[in-house]
Amino acid sequence: QQQVKQSPQSLIVQKGGISIINCAYENTAFDYFPWYQQFPGKGPALLIAIRPDVSEKKEGRFTISFNKSAKQFSLHIMDSQPGDSATYFCAASNLSTSYGKLTFGQGTILTVHP
Amino acid sequence: DSGVTQTPKHLITATGQRVTLRCSPRSGDLSVYWYQQSLDQGLQFLIQYYNGEERAKGNILERFSAQQFPDLHSELNLSSLELGDSALYFCASSVAQGGSYEQYFGPGTRLTVT
Repeated sequence: QQQVKQSPQSLIVQKGGISIINCAYENTAFDYFPWYQQFPGKGPALLIAIRPDVSEKKEGRFTISFNKSAKQFSLHIMDSQPGDSATYFCAASNLSTSYGKLTFGQGTILTVHP
Repeated sequence: DSGVTQTPKHLITATGQRVTLRCSPRSGDLSVYWYQQSLDQGLQFLIQYYNGEERAKGNILERFSAQQFPDLHSELNLSSLELGDSALYFCASSVAQGGSYEQYFGPGTRLTVT
């Protein structure tokens, strides 16, 4: 019930293309869904997050799409750049009962070719 | 730079030993979270403290313990170390109140048990 499943494990995209990473969750009590970006040797950095009362949130080239009925959410990176090459993690939390502790997906290694 | 600091950056020790990892949260953040990142388990939540008190516990081994001090810095103690404890240990901090639960991660401590 606490799992978050992320796909694909790895993704190769050409510069300027769209990168799409998907996550699915089981626990319907989750009410906070952040995405993190991690470069080698660094800690995860918060990219963008969404609550289930909206279906989409956009910040610059990054967009989260959220489908509550399907229990799925995805990250879209528009105009992907070589500097976006990193590992991306989706996560989920129940803010009211778990005080923000995050359950993470397994991660997606994104490579953007120039 | 997230504003979360962790020391040491690297730690190499032998099986059976005990180590202490230290974390200083961002200024103004009351909550500290500890996560373990390994190749086989991914990013796993260990434990959370809020203003000095333990708030949530994840898959933390009995050999591991943590505390948060009055100045809000936190320490994670790992004892009777085993080879399988080799991993990256991250600390994250958050305001964790008033609807603000964004977690900001430190650079991590890489623990190698030989």
